[in-house]
Amino acid sequence: AQKITQTQPGMFVQEKEAVTLDCTYDTSDQSYGLFWYKQPSSGEMIFLIYQGSYDEQNATEGRYSLNFQKARKSANLVISASQLGDSAMYFCAMREGEWETSGSRLTFGEGTQLTVNP
Amino acid sequence: DGGITQSPKYLFRKEGQNVTLSCEQNLNHDAMYWYRQDPGQGLRLIYYSQIVNDFQKGDIAEGYSVSREKKESFPLTVTSAQKNPTAFYLCASSPIWTRTNYGYTFGSGTRLTVV
Repeated sequence: AQKITQTQPGMFVQEKEAVTLDCTYDTSDQSYGLFWYKQPSSGEMIFLIYQGSYDEQNATEGRYSLNFQKARKSANLVISASQLGDSAMYFCAMREGEWETSGSRLTFGEGTQLTVNP
Repeated sequence: DGGITQSPKYLFRKEGQNVTLSCEQNLNHDAMYWYRQDPGQGLRLIYYSQIVNDFQKGDIAEGYSVSREKKESFPLTVTSAQKNPTAFYLCASSPIWTRTNYGYTFGSGTRLTVV
């Protein structure tokens, strides 16, 4: 069974600084996908970034980058130049298989509450 | 624009009542999911469905029921057997057999409170 672990219940960062949110995962599959979502206080889930297990380069999307270390089974999210609007809950998630298949489903971590201070 | 619509946004239930949460999508996605989120915690899977008239239990299905009579719709009923239903409920959908890089499309959620 796959498992996602986010060990930081809460993180604080100063505006304009970078912050790393940790995520480790456990799976016996060779092929899988890793996701990060942002959840503001309104409750909606906003997709941020995706990393496939066979992708050789770390994913980047604007100010978000994913530090993927396959051997260590970690997929940390790095947010550069934090903004006040980045304050939210952040979830790491994993899907078995890089392709959507019948029966594939996302498993979520417990989340990290990020607070950006002015 | 395509998306997922959940209604209502807020729902209050008296003890012993069944309530139904609506989830509709116009994305032509085959798979739909229901998750429960408790305060400060992650998402736990209740039920999911990959095809009309078929669905599977997730990790916390007890006290819940679903139906999938149309591809676009996946309503969730919280029954009186669910002892602690107060939570935030999220519906999601995804295509099948396509490599997607965004996982799911989520609705905006329903906040259920037992009064």
